[in-house]
Amino acid sequence: GQQLNQSPQSMFIQEGEDVSMNCTSSSIFNTWLWYKQDPGEGPVLLIALYKAGELTSNGRLTAQFGITRKDSFLNISASIPSDVGIYFCAGPDDRGSTLGRLYFGRGTQLTVWP
Amino acid sequence: DTAVSQTPKYLVTQMGNDKSIKCEQNLGHDTMYWYKQDSKKFLKIMFSYNNKELIINETVPNRFSPKSPDKAHLNLHINSLELGDSAVYFCASSLAGTDTQYFGPGTRLTVL
Repeated sequence: GQQLNQSPQSMFIQEGEDVSMNCTSSSIFNTWLWYKQDPGEGPVLLIALYKAGELTSNGRLTAQFGITRKDSFLNISASIPSDVGIYFCAGPDDRGSTLGRLYFGRGTQLTVWP
Repeated sequence: DTAVSQTPKYLVTQMGNDKSIKCEQNLGHDTMYWYKQDSKKFLKIMFSYNNKELIINETVPNRFSPKSPDKAHLNLHINSLELGDSAVYFCASSLAGTDTQYFGPGTRLTVL
């Protein structure tokens, strides 16, 4: 299957700091998705990106679809305690998009200290 | 107004037992999925159904059998449970031809 390399694996930051995480794939993606998983809950979609170079915001979150179509970035500005959770990148590869097969990164565990 | 729901939330059972997990979505989607999340939080697809037809069947032991009575429901039956089956199982749904999937709250399965 596809390899999605997500980094960093974990982050410990102070409230108010900005956060950046990224994801790279071994092949071209047509879509990049960013999910957040709170403890004991299912992943919730944060941002969907559909075009190379696209930059999309959702409140304090901003994500970009890399020009090469093999990477994506998620930034969180002015972090707050409720940003705590695991952030996953995901996407279907060029062959999988019609089958609904999503590949997930291994997640970035974010901890925010007050 | 729950979008994707799963029951039960927690399932604790003995090795060798048979158990089922139910999933329902009220989003009007026609494609549903089962994912397994291991102890390291890695999410991996197991199955997907489109309009009650099996589309994706990853290399999952045949002790796992999904059943879709209609396009709003996708249940997962597991026979002869093993210790390694302990994980969190997520149901998800989407519209065919779209990549955005919506997840249920998960079922934590513990096999003793």
